[in-house]
Amino acid sequence: QKEVEQNSGPLSVPEGAIASLNCTYSDRGSQSFFWYRQYSGKSPELIMFIYSNGDKEDGRFTAQLNKASQYVSLLIRDSQPSDSATYLCAVPSGWTFGSGTQLTVLP
Amino acid sequence: DAGITQSPRHKVTETGTPVTLRCHQTENHRYMYWYRQDPGHGLRLIHYSYGVKDTDKGEVSDGYSVSRSKTEDFLLTLESATSSQTSVYFCAISVGEGYEQYFGPGTRLTVT
Repeated sequence: QKEVEQNSGPLSVPEGAIASLNCTYSDRGSQSFFWYRQYSGKSPELIMFIYSNGDKEDGRFTAQLNKASQYVSLLIRDSQPSDSATYLCAVPSGWTFGSGTQLTVLP
Repeated sequence: DAGITQSPRHKVTETGTPVTLRCHQTENHRYMYWYRQDPGHGLRLIHYSYGVKDTDKGEVSDGYSVSRSKTEDFLLTLESATSSQTSVYFCAISVGEGYEQYFGPGTRLTVT
């Protein structure tokens, strides 16, 4: 059983909308969570990490963590076509990655 | 750019041949990792290292070996390549004690 699950998508949103990406995890001991963005043919790049319950904001990106529900999400406000990529959720426990959600932002 | 390079960037090899991929970092980070990425499976950890000569297995280590004789280099070896090892291989370093990872540019390996 994979420890990290993501909706595989694809997810399409219009430009300027909020994109919501979700991730659930099975290891209740997980303390930190990471979101990576991967453009087609490129390597993953870290965009955010979160350790505490609640929200963490960085520019247009907001990570939300709910440890009781074992749920972490990434919100992208004012989505731009340049945000079109695959988004990966990861936990350090065994360095397990979700399969990724492909996001397309339509102009 | 976390100062990580991988070589070669592309390789085509035949089944049964040995293959070694190299990961090189310039910033003396202690932790280094090898992943493979396949459609539908995401990133999967093959092996990792927590120091010179200190390595351990990841989720998909069968058929792979690693070596780290210098802080800056982490080698991944496929002793006898199989078609199932056709994949994109990423090296990563970890900043701090197991915290956020930064990835190299990747190596696309095709085993025919």
